[in-house]
Amino acid sequence: EIVLTQSPGPLSLSPGERATLSCRASQSLSTNYLAWYQQKPGQAPRLLIYGASNRAAGIPDRFSGSGSGTDFTLTISRLEPEDFAVYYCQQYGSSPPIYTFGQGTKLEIK
Amino acid sequence: EVQLLESGGGLVQPGGSLRLSCAASGFTFSMYTMSWVRQAPGKGLEWVSIINSGGDSTYYADSVKGRFTISRDNSKNTLYVQMNSLRAEDTAVYYCATDLGNSGWLPHWFYWGQGTLVTVSS
Repeated sequence: EIVLTQSPGPLSLSPGERATLSCRASQSLSTNYLAWYQQKPGQAPRLLIYGASNRAAGIPDRFSGSGSGTDFTLTISRLEPEDFAVYYCQQYGSSPPIYTFGQGTKLEIK
Repeated sequence: EVQLLESGGGLVQPGGSLRLSCAASGFTFSMYTMSWVRQAPGKGLEWVSIINSGGDSTYYADSVKGRFTISRDNSKNTLYVQMNSLRAEDTAVYYCATDLGNSGWLPHWFYWGQGTLVTVSS
């Protein structure tokens, strides 16, 4: 089973700064089926990035994803007040289908 | 507009059973796979189960295998999960989720319901 480890722990930044969140897989994700979600308190997760680097519909272009193999990154180029939330990475493995989430990174206002 | 509306959550004793429902609208329900994802209070997300469009292929997380059964009624546009032998660690908000990118197994989920809370406690 693939384990996803997110870092850093809580990330404290100010609006306007750049955020870099990491997700490391215990095994290579050969098909790059890696997604990122944002979750705010009391809300369902919101898909941001799929296929490691594709923005989901309606997601601002300040959000970008990159990486391959075992190392993936979510970058928020210039933080807006509404970006402070918890972010999760998620991978999909086929045959049979199985899904794994990282433990989450809380992005908090400094 | 795609909508997913979960219901059926509540308080249940350890060892008890509960059935959750997810009513879907705004898309051709019978064409897409559906999943359940849960989140324990203050914790991260955990995938629970998935079912194909026709309802004849299902998969489960090891943590619920043999206790939970996912099903769907395409004539009612509704997804279900029957949860038996419930444990305290099953306490969570349960979300139904899907994506309309293709009709096969989905690598991610764009559409989520608002969730329904299941509390397992005596």
